[in-house]
Amino acid sequence: EVQLVESGGGLVQPGRSLRLSCVASGFTFDDYAMHWVRQAPGKGLEWVSSISWNSGSIGYADSVKGRFTISRDNAKNSLYLQMNSLRAEDTALYYCAKGRGGSSTSSLVYWGQGTRVTVSS
Amino acid sequence: DIQMTQSPSSVSASVGDRVTITCRASQGISTWLAWYQQKPGKAPKVLIYTASSLQSGVPSRFSGSGSGTDFTLTISSLQPEDFATYYCQQTNSFPLTFGGGTKVDIK
Repeated sequence: EVQLVESGGGLVQPGRSLRLSCVASGFTFDDYAMHWVRQAPGKGLEWVSSISWNSGSIGYADSVKGRFTISRDNAKNSLYLQMNSLRAEDTALYYCAKGRGGSSTSSLVYWGQGTRVTVSS
Repeated sequence: DIQMTQSPSSVSASVGDRVTITCRASQGISTWLAWYQQKPGKAPKVLIYTASSLQSGVPSRFSGSGSGTDFTLTISSLQPEDFATYYCQQTNSFPLTFGGGTKVDIK
């Protein structure tokens, strides 16, 4: 059974940093692309970032480019999102998702339950 | 960037109704489109990928069609468990944009 467990969320002041993690199980992690998607309270889904199976292809939403960095450790079956210079508008539930294939532009097949990030002073 | 426009933003329907949701891309994306269902307090779930391929385990009353810029998600006979919000997403190129969502609620 595919499982994706996010962690690392919390309350953080504007301008500070946070690192999200997602631990995967139930599939061969290094065969698949992985994604981060966020959802602000009461709002729709917003794609944040994606990384291919071998980290060779990475993409970011314009809203986070230059501030967030996606990475993965295939030996640890883990996906990360380093978030710097956080803003109030980054407040959201952050989901980790498994891609359908290895390409960073694959559709999202399985989703974790999310980790909540609140940016506030 | 490719913009995805869904319509309607909400629809009220009854059990047994046929429901159609449309998604329009601001430029051609071939069939690189997925549809997701999200229920309140839950993570999204994929229904359809590459515009018309049904995800394993998804009931056959869900179907997708379209290519290029215009796409459709159809629920042939709405069931109580289908009341949810539906999103399209283009997977043609970065950024992988979502549509604004369509809420399907009870009439």
